[in-house]
Amino acid sequence: DIQMTQSPSSLSASVGDRVTITCQASQDISNYLNWYQQKPGKAPNLLIYDASNLKRGVPSRFSGSGSGTDFTFTISSLQPEDTGTYYCQQYDFVSLTFGGGTKLEIK
Amino acid sequence: EVQLLESGGGLAQPGGSLRLSCAASGFTFSDYAMSWVRQAPGKGLEWISVIYRGSYTTHYADSVKGRFNISRDDSKNTLYLHLYNLRADDTALYYCAKDLYSGSGSRLSDWGQGSLVTVSS
Repeated sequence: DIQMTQSPSSLSASVGDRVTITCQASQDISNYLNWYQQKPGKAPNLLIYDASNLKRGVPSRFSGSGSGTDFTFTISSLQPEDTGTYYCQQYDFVSLTFGGGTKLEIK
Repeated sequence: EVQLLESGGGLAQPGGSLRLSCAASGFTFSDYAMSWVRQAPGKGLEWISVIYRGSYTTHYADSVKGRFNISRDDSKNTLYLHLYNLRADDTALYYCAKDLYSGSGSRLSDWGQGSLVTVSS
């Protein structure tokens, strides 16, 4: 099974900061990587799919990059409403695997 | 507007069974793969199972293989998850999710609100 290692597990940043989260796959997954945001008490929300594609309606301050085994998720200018937990997720042809999550707080 | 509404959760004893349902609306249900994802209290997300359109292909996480069964009734626009031989570590909020694209089963773009399953004696 493919394992996803996400870091950091938590971070605190100020409004306006550039925030980066990384995700590493245990084997080459091409660009089969998605990013989700989850707010407390709510279901996850897909933000980025196929490593770098922004889902319609998602603010452009969110972006993703990478391929193969190393991926990056970036918030270009952190906003107060961006607090929550972020997950990466890979997919192969038989399973999906989520990273452990990154809890993002505003200083 | 896509809507997914899970039901059927509750308290079950170890070794017991439950059936979760997910009623879908706002899209052509039969065209889309559907998945179940769970989240134990205070923990991260765990993918459980996917069923592709036509019900011909299903996949399961190793943690539930042989104990859970995913199915769908396209005439009722409903997804199911049968949970058997439940264990304490199956305690979680169970979400159903729809894929972003028809035919794919990998980009979970719409989610229900979840149905809580508690396994305890």
